[in-house]
Amino acid sequence: NAGVTQTPKFQVLKTGQSMTLQCAQDMNHNSMYWYRQDPGMGLRLIYYSASEGTTDKGEVPNGYNVSRLNKREFSLRLESAAPSQTSVYFCASIMVSEQFFGPGTRLTVL
Amino acid sequence: GENVEQHPSTLSVQEGDSAVIKCTYSDSASNYFPWYKQELGKGPQLIIDIRSNVGEKKDQRIAVTLNKTAKHFSLHITETQPEDSAVYFCAASKGVNDYKLSFGAGTTVTVRA
Repeated sequence: NAGVTQTPKFQVLKTGQSMTLQCAQDMNHNSMYWYRQDPGMGLRLIYYSASEGTTDKGEVPNGYNVSRLNKREFSLRLESAAPSQTSVYFCASIMVSEQFFGPGTRLTVL
Repeated sequence: GENVEQHPSTLSVQEGDSAVIKCTYSDSASNYFPWYKQELGKGPQLIIDIRSNVGEKKDQRIAVTLNKTAKHFSLHITETQPEDSAVYFCAASKGVNDYKLSFGAGTTVTVRA
């Protein structure tokens, strides 16, 4: 997944713990997105950032916050993790038909 | 919000045969319809997309058709090869630069050698 990096790749949390998922792109794209993928379901949009300095809610924003630190970086924070947030999280960087998804972060909340 | 339904959920084809995946959407304002291929342990990869002012688009062995009246679009893969085995997702969004995508649930395609 050239151009979009995500850290960490795997994470196990206990209920109530917090963590930040990091995403960075080097393609100078304005728009960045956070999706989650659950078994048997397509990706669902959590938050997005149309440009540096702006963020907005997607379909499933509850329990998450985001920060668009600069044009390159878009982080997703779980303030108090819950088992329902066990999922694979993908960051995407998109400009017109140039789309790149990161390799994903597999998060387990016990 | 937009609801995208995708069928079938699994598809097994003989190498060399064609594979067809179909999606329907609910919001008539949607005008961008991409398709993604996801291999195990990786993020989705855009393989082809179509906009509402086009009825069909082809890229080598892959083609997508769109029927805006019926609100459905399809992915066609011809001359399938083992490396086509993956999960395929359709998606829809509104607006020229709006990539707030609503995804289908995915189709697991297996190409038998």
